[in-house]
Amino acid sequence: LAKTTQPISMDSYEGQEVNITCSHNNIATNDYITWYQQFPSQGPRFIIQGYKTKVTNEVASLFIPADRKSSTLSLPRVSLSDTAVYYCLVGRAAGNKLTFGGGTRVLVKP
Amino acid sequence: SAVISQKPSRDICQRGTSLTIQCQVDSQVTMMFWYRQQPGQSLTLIATANQGSEATYESGFVIDKFPISRPNLTFSTLTVSNMSPEDSSIYLCSVFKGVDTEAFFGQGTRLTVV
Repeated sequence: LAKTTQPISMDSYEGQEVNITCSHNNIATNDYITWYQQFPSQGPRFIIQGYKTKVTNEVASLFIPADRKSSTLSLPRVSLSDTAVYYCLVGRAAGNKLTFGGGTRVLVKP
Repeated sequence: SAVISQKPSRDICQRGTSLTIQCQVDSQVTMMFWYRQQPGQSLTLIATANQGSEATYESGFVIDKFPISRPNLTFSTLTVSNMSPEDSSIYLCSVFKGVDTEAFFGQGTRLTVV
């Protein structure tokens, strides 16, 4: 399974855009990139998944360059409730065990 | 989506005792996954539970310490045996539903061993 590297923590302010970059130099051809969000005292929650280029949903955007060795999760106009730990995972698209890296702790300040 | 119910949500246990955690899913799933999250840390996979077969354990986790049952396609239990303070963690179960690309997690069981 490809190892991921992401910043330990990031601070932001309400209304700003938050971009979290994840490095996955050893990503395999059939690996997808998936991001999960975890609030305190809750299990992780799926945010977005992509294979290449750009994916956007109602919560976030995921940017993946052509070489797929990194990806960037973009959270537009964050609010206090976006304070959480964000995990970048690389692996099969579905149905398989997940390998969590260290995650990025995002703190949104008023 | 999938609704996962974990019981208990939290417990404080004496060292040397065992605790069984239950995970109930609102629909049938092939595999159920058990994770551990130590305080301030990321999630670590303990084992994968398939119905009708023995669970598959990850490196560093053994059946004697973390026996798992999977009696049907909607239910699983994880037992933390002969507990020590080092077992104090949050234990979470997780499933994929059908061909969904997202995993669903229970709320977790916060275990404190004293």
